[in-house]
Amino acid sequence: DAGVIQSPRHEVTEMGQEVTLRCKPISGHNSLFWYRQTMMRGLELLIYFNNNVPIDDSGMPEDRFSAKMPNASFSTLKIQPSEPRDSAVYFCASSATGHEKTQYFGPGTRLLVL
Amino acid sequence: GQQLNQSPQSMFIQEGEDVSMNCTSSSIFNTWLWYKQEPGEGPVLLIALYKAGELTSNGRLTAQFGITRKDSFLNISASIPSDVGIYFCAGREMNRDDKIIFGKGTRLHILP
Repeated sequence: DAGVIQSPRHEVTEMGQEVTLRCKPISGHNSLFWYRQTMMRGLELLIYFNNNVPIDDSGMPEDRFSAKMPNASFSTLKIQPSEPRDSAVYFCASSATGHEKTQYFGPGTRLLVL
Repeated sequence: GQQLNQSPQSMFIQEGEDVSMNCTSSSIFNTWLWYKQEPGEGPVLLIALYKAGELTSNGRLTAQFGITRKDSFLNISASIPSDVGIYFCAGREMNRDDKIIFGKGTRLHILP
C-alpha cells in the first residue's frame, strides 16, 4: 500500500490567499484525521471524519479553516484567508475500524504564509 | 482538556546507551501508542499497546502499558545513530474511541 498521500508537500503563499491541502487515506481506512504541528504547540488534532462524516471539529482554530471529505478516498483542508500564524506542518492520518484503530500518518504539508 | 505529560523533553546520550522515556495521563486510557518522527517526515508508529500490563517489543524497542492505565514507557536498548528523532507518546481515552491525544515529544540526541 502507498500509505497516506498528501499534497502539496510544500506550500508558500502570501497572507490573504486561499490554501487547499489534500489527503488520500489508506485504502480501506474509514477514519481520517487532520493535525497541525508547530514547535510551540506540538501536534494538535484539528478535525476527524468517520465514514466521510465530520465527527469532531473542536480543534479547528476558527472559521477560516474548513475541511471536507466528499468520498472515502479524498479529503481537503482549506484555509481562507490564510495568515502568517497558520504557518505549520499539516498532517493527515487515517485508521481502520475495530479496536486496534491505529493511526497512520502522511508525510505532511509544510505551509509557510508570508 | 486531557493532556499527556511526556518526559523528558530532550535527551543527550552516548551511542550504545539505553534510553527510557515515559508518558502519564490524568485519566484512564485504553490504548497507548508510541511514534517516532524524523526531520521532514510524519510520525511513524513504533509500538501499539491495548491492554493494561502489556509489554511489547519491536527490535531494540520495548514499551509497556501501565497497570493503572494512566501511564506508559518506552525503552530503547543499545542506542545507535539512527535512533535520533522525536518520540511521541499518544493515547486514547476510555469511551473516546477515535480521538488520540499526543504528548509533546521527547527529542533524542545521540553523541558519537
